Amino acid sequence: ELKVEQNPLFLSMQEGKNYTIYCNYSTTSDRLYWYRQDPGKSLESLFVLLSNGAVKQEGRLMASLDTKARLSTLHITAAVHDLSATYFCAVDISYGGSQGNLIFGKGTKLSVKP
Amino acid sequence: EAGVAQSPRYKIIEKRQSVAFWCNPISGHATLYWYQQILGQGPKLLIQFQNNGVVDDSQLPKDRFSAERLKGVDSTLKIQPAKLEDSAVYLCASSWGLANYEQYFGPGTRLTVT
Repeated sequence: ELKVEQNPLFLSMQEGKNYTIYCNYSTTSDRLYWYRQDPGKSLESLFVLLSNGAVKQEGRLMASLDTKARLSTLHITAAVHDLSATYFCAVDISYGGSQGNLIFGKGTKLSVKP
Repeated sequence: EAGVAQSPRYKIIEKRQSVAFWCNPISGHATLYWYQQILGQGPKLLIQFQNNGVVDDSQLPKDRFSAERLKGVDSTLKIQPAKLEDSAVYLCASSWGLANYEQYFGPGTRLTVT
């Protein structure tokens, strides 16, 4: 059974602290995505990771991919309240040259408190 | 650039009724996706179109769900008859093509079945 597991599912942080969200998956894939979702809103693309060892950074967020370990991480540096949202990782399980068949994790609900 | 448009934004129906959702992708995007997002979970892919052809509908409950994209642009997703467990947000997303990976999501339609 294909699984994409995120942990933790709930994360309460203080402003200024660092933390890492983990995304483990059970199938072979070298394409992984991170999305952000604010309450009642749609999904916003954060990072697209397309190869083993890929690392991308945007502001206080940094994502990495280890395809051999089937693991991606989303690292938060010096959290601020505006980062409060639910973060999803999604693994692309497409084959044969096509893309876009994504399996999403359950999401990590992040709350950053002053 | 206009984003992915969806309507209606909210719909409340009784079980056994039928309902239809509409999606207009970003102009020029050949690939269109429909997802179901149940409260507290990540989105689940229902169907993927490339132009007006179906690429993957393996997770679409075909006894009650149907989708079409007749002219390769707009798409409709229909549920007939609806069940209580169909209560969810239905998200439409689009991308440039099968080989171009980034998906852009619409605002979603929140369906409540009573």
